[in-house]
Amino acid sequence: NAGVTQTPKFQVLKTGQSMTLQCAQDMNHEYMSWYRQDPGMGLRLIHYSVGAGITDQGEVPNGYNVSRSTTEDFPLRLLSAAPSQTSVYFCASSYRLDDINEQFFGPGTRLTVL
Amino acid sequence: GNSVTQMEGPVTLSEEAFLTINCTYTATGYPSLFWYVQYPGEGLQLLLKATKADDKGSNKGFEATYRKETTSFHLEKGSVQVSDSAVYFCALPGSSGGSNYKLTFGKGTLLTVNP
Repeated sequence: NAGVTQTPKFQVLKTGQSMTLQCAQDMNHEYMSWYRQDPGMGLRLIHYSVGAGITDQGEVPNGYNVSRSTTEDFPLRLLSAAPSQTSVYFCASSYRLDDINEQFFGPGTRLTVL
Repeated sequence: GNSVTQMEGPVTLSEEAFLTINCTYTATGYPSLFWYVQYPGEGLQLLLKATKADDKGSNKGFEATYRKETTSFHLEKGSVQVSDSAVYFCALPGSSGGSNYKLTFGKGTLLTVNP
């Protein structure tokens, strides 16, 4: 199993550009989520999905869109990048829905918005 | 909603020293509690967990006991190694929104172990 994979590993954008961060898992997990990690802030939940076709907002959803058309993939879209979105982004997945249990994290995407 | 307060670092120790990283929580009921570790340049991975009061989670020489009396889940290791240098996160299910589909993390504690 590859686990949770994320692409790209690094990205630099200019303000106003759009892009999609890719996330895929091959563990047949129903639950997937996106977090951002900022210094001194820990991890904050952006969006999550409890299954294909079902998504919901987390703590900091503004400026981000998600969709879940398959169990495996959960892309995160930045519609119009802003410097405040400079961060490290982690995708995570887990098997069970009735409690979070263990989440498996991808290696992260380091995004810089100029 | 559930929340967690974690000792902020950084923490710098010499090899073979004793480690404690404090974590206290506020929660409705008795949720599972977790410690995650993030090694340099990597994503987070589960280090240990405890699913009910008085449980002790352990892995790789690390231990943490779920203490409901003090609402704490402190991480300990008797003898740290250079390879333990990482950021450690305490976590529990739920957030200010109250959903059980979310995991709330502490701000993380950076541990550096010198040879």
